[in-house]
Amino acid sequence: DAGITQSPRHKVTETGTPVTLRCHQTENHRYMYWYRQDPGHGLRLIHYSYGVKDTDKGEVSDGYSVSRSKTEDFLLTLESATSSQTSVYFCAIRVDREPYNEQFFGPGTRLTVL
Amino acid sequence: AQSVTQLGSHVSVSEGALVLLRCNYSSSVPPYLFWYVQYPNQGLQLLLKYTSAATLVKGINGFEAEFKKSETSFHLTKPSAHMSDAAEYFCAVSDAFGSGKLIFGQGTTLQVKP
Repeated sequence: DAGITQSPRHKVTETGTPVTLRCHQTENHRYMYWYRQDPGHGLRLIHYSYGVKDTDKGEVSDGYSVSRSKTEDFLLTLESATSSQTSVYFCAIRVDREPYNEQFFGPGTRLTVL
Repeated sequence: AQSVTQLGSHVSVSEGALVLLRCNYSSSVPPYLFWYVQYPNQGLQLLLKYTSAATLVKGINGFEAEFKKSETSFHLTKPSAHMSDAAEYFCAVSDAFGSGKLIFGQGTTLQVKP
């Protein structure tokens, strides 16, 4: 257990509404990631962060924004949710133990956009 | 650019039989390679990792994988399947240096028949 929690764990929302998902870690790791999981696609990176206020885009970043104002929290925001954003969202942290860079995943948030 | 291909979205074996899940990767830089397992309605758990040390990597639950650079493969094996091995398995690649972001294959669902 790498001390990662995600909230909420389940959410149903309507098209056009804003949604914010929270990832919280207890161990002060520098790197945090947001992925989405869809059948037939595995997991795809949305955004990642390499420190407070330092973020970068992943391969499927359109329609998403992120913020990291504290080391322990990484927020993912859907400004105006669409049905194509119905997915399971996973947060991950990277543990820097040389020579490894293992990632550990949170329990996931299942988001349904109606 | 890096990519991962998992051959076979579904694999079915009998209990006690050999498990072989195939993964081929593409990377222009020395890769780190990972296998993750996901049980129903759970997050991802790291099974094993290759980080340029030994080419034969042993993981948890009796699984192992062999890194073959000439074949750009990292296939996952287990000599004798157990019912509890039924899950979805993901192969992933990342840079040895840099952001550490993971590129996942599409996943392989393993069914174990009694």
